[in-house]
Amino acid sequence: GAVVSQHPSRVICKSGTSVKIECRSLDFQATTMFWYRQFPKKSLMLMATSNEGSKATYEQGVEKDKFLINHASLTLSTLTVTSAHPEDSSFYICSASPNHTPGGYTFGSGTRLTVV
Amino acid sequence: QKEVEQNSGPLSVPEGAIASLNCTYSDRGSQSFFWYRQYSGKSPELIMSIYSNGDKEDGRFTAQLNKASQYVSLLIRDSQPSDSATYLCAVNGNKLVFGAGTILRVKS
Repeated sequence: GAVVSQHPSRVICKSGTSVKIECRSLDFQATTMFWYRQFPKKSLMLMATSNEGSKATYEQGVEKDKFLINHASLTLSTLTVTSAHPEDSSFYICSASPNHTPGGYTFGSGTRLTVV
Repeated sequence: QKEVEQNSGPLSVPEGAIASLNCTYSDRGSQSFFWYRQYSGKSPELIMSIYSNGDKEDGRFTAQLNKASQYVSLLIRDSQPSDSATYLCAVNGNKLVFGAGTILRVKS
C-alpha cells in the first residue's frame, strides 16, 4: 500500500530558529501533498496544499512566509517553519495519495515540534 | 456552525459491545466521507470510506451515510480495548475537513 514517510518525528528548537520537516512518498509519486497542523485535543487543520513544480496553496490565515513549502520532486515535499516561536509548537502531519482521492490519502507519522 | 461536528466524548463502552460514533456536516455538496482512527501522539489511520447513502461494512466496522440528513456514523462491533482511540470524521467537498474527533474508551 501507499507509504508516506515523515521526518523528523520530534524536534525541539529555540525561538527564532527555523525547522525543516520532510514528507516523502516511498512507493508512489505524489503531485499533491497536504500539510496539516494539530493542537492537543483539537482537529487536524489543513495548512496548505503542496503542488509539485509550482507554488503551494495556503489556507486562509496561514502565513506563507512563515511556513515555507517546497515540492521539488514527485516524492518529496518539505515544510520549513521559519523564525519559530513557542506558539508554533504543534503536531505537523503530511499526507499524500497516488489515487488523487483526498480522503483516501495516507498520513505521515507526524512531527512533534516544540519551540522553547 | 462548524463544518464537521462530532461529540468529543469520551464514549465509554464495555468490551464486546457496539460502539456508535456520529458525525454531522454542513456542506451539502460533500461527496466523500471518511473515518480515521488516531491513537494518542500518532497520525490518523484510515478505517473506512463511504461515498453513497446506506451502509458499508468492513470486518467489525460499519459506516452509515445519510446525505439527506447530512449525517455519517461509524459502528464498531465487538469492541476491543485496542479500539480505544480518537475517531475522526472527515468530509470531502472542495477540501478535506476533519471533525474534532470522538474519544472512545473500551473497558475490559
